[in-house]
Amino acid sequence: GQQVMQIPQYQHVQEGEDFTTYCNSSTTLSNIQWYKQRPGGHPVFLIQLVKSGEVKKQKRLTFQFGEAKKNSSLHITATQTTDVGTYFCAGRDSGGSNYKLTFGKGTLLTVNP
Amino acid sequence: GAVVSQHPSWVICKSGTSVKIECRSLDFQATTMFWYRQFPKQSLMLMATSNEGSKATYEQGVEKDKFLINHASLTLSTLTVTSAHPEDSSFYICSARSGSGGRGEQYFGPGTRLTVT
Repeated sequence: GQQVMQIPQYQHVQEGEDFTTYCNSSTTLSNIQWYKQRPGGHPVFLIQLVKSGEVKKQKRLTFQFGEAKKNSSLHITATQTTDVGTYFCAGRDSGGSNYKLTFGKGTLLTVNP
Repeated sequence: GAVVSQHPSWVICKSGTSVKIECRSLDFQATTMFWYRQFPKQSLMLMATSNEGSKATYEQGVEKDKFLINHASLTLSTLTVTSAHPEDSSFYICSARSGSGGRGEQYFGPGTRLTVT
């Protein structure tokens, strides 16, 4: 079945440093979504990427979808303490028919003020 | 927009009892809802996919007789954990899918923390 790998598992940075998490799928994806889960909270939808090579920005967050639609990355510039949380990628298999998402294991980001 | 509510937010029950969790899409119609389970510091594991008016599709390893799912309307899905045991203690999260085709994003409910004593 489809597998979505995400690295790193943990990342601790000083406030102001940049942060990147990477996502890699074993199969070609129709789209990939990114979610953020604060400690004790639930996943919150951040963005969806659909097109090969797509790049989207949300303020300090930059999301990329690979040309082969099998990998993606989330980059945060100049992290802030409010960025703390676990970031999950979730891919939808291009051959799937029930719209289910396969989640990566997530990257826990902690920021030292 | 795209708000999903879940009730209750937390529940403690005794071993052997059943617990029902409700998931509602408040401002949109959700033809498909998903139920996930999340253990501490782990990822979300899909349990089942629920389509309005039809039987749920369960993931491999999930007991359909233990985790009963009903998707009675376009805005409500329920998960009933039957004869709960301590190993069923977990964070259960539902999500509702908006949009058509294969591109609709999922919106998550706030989750239900179940503790079985």
